[in-house]
Amino acid sequence: AQSVTQLGSHVSVSEGALVLLRCNYSSSVPPYLFWYVQYPNQGLQLLLKYTSAATLVKGINGFEAEFKKSETSFHLTKPSAHMSDAAEYFCAVSDYGSGNTGKLIFGQGTTLQVKP
Amino acid sequence: EPEVTQTPSHQVTQMGQEVILRCVPISNHLYFYWYRQILGQKVEFLVSFYNNEISEKSEIFDDQFSVERPDGSNFTLKIRSTKLEDSAMYFCASRRRGGTSGNNEQFFGPGTRLTVL
Repeated sequence: AQSVTQLGSHVSVSEGALVLLRCNYSSSVPPYLFWYVQYPNQGLQLLLKYTSAATLVKGINGFEAEFKKSETSFHLTKPSAHMSDAAEYFCAVSDYGSGNTGKLIFGQGTTLQVKP
Repeated sequence: EPEVTQTPSHQVTQMGQEVILRCVPISNHLYFYWYRQILGQKVEFLVSFYNNEISEKSEIFDDQFSVERPDGSNFTLKIRSTKLEDSAMYFCASRRRGGTSGNNEQFFGPGTRLTVL
């Protein structure tokens, strides 16, 4: 079975500081990995995805993530936090091989607070 | 830009009542999903739907739940007899195609907040 663990339910950074949100996954097959962002009272928006191509994935709003198979990790980073980055971030895993439904398994989520 | 829409945005109901949550997926998408998020908890998979039938369902998706695609556009989630613990945000999602294609992003709707009293 697949699973996702996000270390740290709350992360607080100062504006302009590095953002690092941690995600570790467990999967018996090559995973597809995703980061979604949820702003207050809104749905989930895809930030970026890893689908077995380049291990360093760039997404929207200056975010990027690196797939490290040896560490079973897919941490999300942004060099310089902006106030507008304050939101809930979810890491998710799925497998899209033949016969699989492509459902997403989400981590617990990390709330990012950005202080002025 | 096409998007997934959901109605209503908020639904308040009495325990034991039936509710139907509606979703309009993106028009050329083939795979449809329902997820729920209980307040303060993670997003959980409920059910996936493809080719007019359920392709997978979670343990949460018991006999009280059903899904339907009654026409070419709507995708509904019905809860026959709501319980207090059904209170949650329900998200619909759709995906264009399967396999190992790079076009495997799920697009989420804004959600329906269901409150069961």
